[in-house]
Amino acid sequence: NAGVTQTPKFRVLKTGQSMTLLCAQDMNHEYMYWYRQDPGMGLRLIHYSVGEGTTAKGEVPDGYNVSRLKKQNFLLGLESAAPSQTSVYFCASSYTGDRGVFSNQPQHFGDGTRLSIL
Amino acid sequence: AQSVSQHNHHVILSEAASLELGCNYSYGGTVNLFWYVQYPGQHLQLLLKYFSGDPLVKGIKGFEAEFIKSKFSFNLRKPSVQWSDTAEYFCAIQATSGTYKYIFGTGTRLKVLA
Repeated sequence: NAGVTQTPKFRVLKTGQSMTLLCAQDMNHEYMYWYRQDPGMGLRLIHYSVGEGTTAKGEVPDGYNVSRLKKQNFLLGLESAAPSQTSVYFCASSYTGDRGVFSNQPQHFGDGTRLSIL
Repeated sequence: AQSVSQHNHHVILSEAASLELGCNYSYGGTVNLFWYVQYPGQHLQLLLKYFSGDPLVKGIKGFEAEFIKSKFSFNLRKPSVQWSDTAEYFCAIQATSGTYKYIFGTGTRLKVLA
């Protein structure tokens, strides 16, 4: 049971380059999330998805795009990387729960992607 | 606005010492509360959660947390820490109305000396 798998685990980019981070979950969760973790700032929500084909903005969406073409995958894209996007990126997923836009069920996290933008 | 404060950014303890990590939140309504742990090089894992009922919640690995509604607090405790408890601990809240968005605290790094 893999849970939530993120690829790649590490990446170094130059300013202006683009890349896509992949998140895959095998728990049939409806909800998926992308966070960034920066020192002294905890986890901040970038984008989220409440189901296949749907995405929505979180707290810090600027400079990122996402897609949820398949239920099990949630992709995070950086079209033109900037040094301010150097961070550790975590994907998470959860069951739908019983109400609300966000699930009230605990989130299951991936191992993270450490991204450095030079 | 919702916010979560973890005032202890770094904590260093010796093995067998007792642990209490503070978590205070700002939100006028009802919230779900969580503690997550991130061991070095690993992903966040759920330690314990509070939705309703008994305000004293027991989680995995001997951890517990007490929800004190009047103080907007959800402090994490463990009577006797082990070296393997070295990790970063995150408190999180989730409003139970509106968008149910999660808000995470900034984390507390715990180092336990053998």
